[in-house]
Amino acid sequence: GAVVSQHPSWVICKSGTSVKIECRSLDFQATTMFWYRQFPKQSLMLMATSNEGSKATYEQGVEKDKFLINHASLTLSTLTVTSAHPEDSSFYICSASGQINEKLFFGSGTQLSVL
Amino acid sequence: AQSVTQLGSHVSVSEGALVLLRCNYSSSVPPYLFWYVQYPNQGLQLLLKYTTGATLVKGINGFEAEFKKSETSFHLTKPSAHMSDAAEYFCAVRPDTGRRALTFGSGTRLQVQP
Repeated sequence: GAVVSQHPSWVICKSGTSVKIECRSLDFQATTMFWYRQFPKQSLMLMATSNEGSKATYEQGVEKDKFLINHASLTLSTLTVTSAHPEDSSFYICSASGQINEKLFFGSGTQLSVL
Repeated sequence: AQSVTQLGSHVSVSEGALVLLRCNYSSSVPPYLFWYVQYPNQGLQLLLKYTTGATLVKGINGFEAEFKKSETSFHLTKPSAHMSDAAEYFCAVRPDTGRRALTFGSGTRLQVQP
């Protein structure tokens, strides 16, 4: 099946620094990518939807200036957590889809810990 | 709007026993329903999905789920648990048209005891 590679799998950073998470579709063209966040013992919550070549659509309550999403190519989307704070510590996971009603494929997630 | 409730964050069964993971949803439009499994250090893998048609859906690894509209449920079952079934399971829903983003439940961790 299709593979989505997410990197890094975990990262520890100091408060105030920025962290970039990459999500790559390895064997298909991902026209749409979704970014989710999961706090311990809670659901995966959709943060934003990105379509290749256009600005991401953010969910209510998600700061677009803090969580920068770039989807410049059909195989790569990045999420940058800017000026990270301890409350941003969470599990971030991306998913990708090629076309409407096609299956979604998930990355393995990134555990972010902000000290 | 949709929401998903998974009853029980942890479920423990003996090897060979029935697995039952519960999922209830709410949706203002006809839903598509999904079960995903996540093994340690891996991405979410689709187990099965309900879109239309037969309400009993069979998936991979011997799992199946039944869509019960009257109960707004989509419980996941497997007749006989195997040690390799130990993982985190997520139920998810999305509307049948339009927006493709999934709304997930909080997950259920399945432990299988020898």
